[in-house]
Amino acid sequence: GAGVSQSPRYKVAKRGQDVALRCDPISGHVSLFWYQQALGQGPEFLTYFQNEAQLDKSGLPSDRFFAERPEGSVSTLKIQRTQQEDSAVYLCASSPWGGNTGELFFGEGSRLTVL
Amino acid sequence: AQRVTQPEKLLSVFKGAPVELKCNYSYSGSPELFWYVQYSRQRLQLLLRHISRESIKGFTADLNKGETSFHLKKPFAQEEDSAMYYCALAQGGSEKLVFGKGTKLTVNP
Repeated sequence: GAGVSQSPRYKVAKRGQDVALRCDPISGHVSLFWYQQALGQGPEFLTYFQNEAQLDKSGLPSDRFFAERPEGSVSTLKIQRTQQEDSAVYLCASSPWGGNTGELFFGEGSRLTVL
Repeated sequence: AQRVTQPEKLLSVFKGAPVELKCNYSYSGSPELFWYVQYSRQRLQLLLRHISRESIKGFTADLNKGETSFHLKKPFAQEEDSAMYYCALAQGGSEKLVFGKGTKLTVNP
């Protein structure tokens, strides 16, 4: 009965490096979300998948951010040419339904520090 | 645009005292409101949603459309209630949640 799993839990990158953050949702969950949480702030929406389809990517801050979920299960958030302002906790969440319920199951997050 | 405001960054009460965590929202349609909680060293989790009209761990929240508020209340706070609390809004028909900045509640013995 594992919950949402994210890796790595901690990542330190030098400015300009590319990073990839992985999310394993709860098995069978249709919807998958990525949120960015800066220090002292609430989670901010980045992007949303329903199965393999990326239905909303309006929150991605720049074209350096890219997310995929090719088989409708595991998802990867990639950040190219990282900048210091990308330092944050990246949260992944999944939900079992394709409808509007509001109950998201969150992972523990991946904390990215860009030096 | 949708916006959720939690005016108190920090809130401190004594055990047994009533507690109210404030949440105001800005949204022109029919919102769905939620409270999420994050206990120390645990992941963010749903506490309650307004459509359920339920009480969870003694907490209740009433949606007041006139005041555009969804304050979280508990009559007698317990030490184990100490946590970060986030109010969140979903636009009707969307699964996307917009979160407030959170309130850190500390319940002192």
